[in-house]
Amino acid sequence: GQNIDQPTEMTATEGAIVQINCTYQTSGFNGLFWYQQHAGEAPTFLSYNVLDGLEEKGRFSSFLSRSKGYSYLLLKELQMKDSASYLCAVRDNTGGFKTIFGAGTRLFVKA
Amino acid sequence: DTGVSQDPRHKITKRGQNVTFRCDPISEHNRLYWYRQTLGQGPEFLTYFQNEAQLEKSRLLSDRFSAERPKGSFSTLEIQRTEQGDSAMYLCASSLPPGGAGGPDEQFFGPGTRLTVL
Repeated sequence: GQNIDQPTEMTATEGAIVQINCTYQTSGFNGLFWYQQHAGEAPTFLSYNVLDGLEEKGRFSSFLSRSKGYSYLLLKELQMKDSASYLCAVRDNTGGFKTIFGAGTRLFVKA
Repeated sequence: DTGVSQDPRHKITKRGQNVTFRCDPISEHNRLYWYRQTLGQGPEFLTYFQNEAQLEKSRLLSDRFSAERPKGSFSTLEIQRTEQGDSAMYLCASSLPPGGAGGPDEQFFGPGTRLTVL
């Protein structure tokens, strides 16, 4: 089966750096995504990893270790608008290419 | 084409009634997904289409749920004999298929249809 774990909530200060961790178990790993979801809105794509290592995109970076079933999303120079839920999602190719989402980590950025 | 659209945005119905939701994906996207999301949870996979073919359906989905994408463009999700537990946000997303090397097939989500079953 599939299982994705990430912390329920995190709090960080404006201007700081925060790391949101995600661990996963899946039988047919075929890529890991991070999405951002503001309250009451639809998720929007942030990053994608399929090979081990770090992918950097502006203030956001995402890391993957396939052997450990582990990823993190790193947010630098936090801004108030970064307060949102961050969803870790795994593409699973067992029987198809469905995407399984974690429950999300709600990040609160305080002044 | 500005993105994925869903209709209606809100639906209130009585238990036992049937409801149907529509999703119009981004025009060049051949993959279309349906998810259900409840408060504090991530989107739960329901089903997905590649063109008009329904390639996978969640085992969690009861027979009361059915989805179609008759011409490979818009899709409908029908829930028969609604129950209070069906109350949720129903999200539709679309994407291009993964690249040749398993590249990103980022999904673009619509605004969702919020269903309330009384």
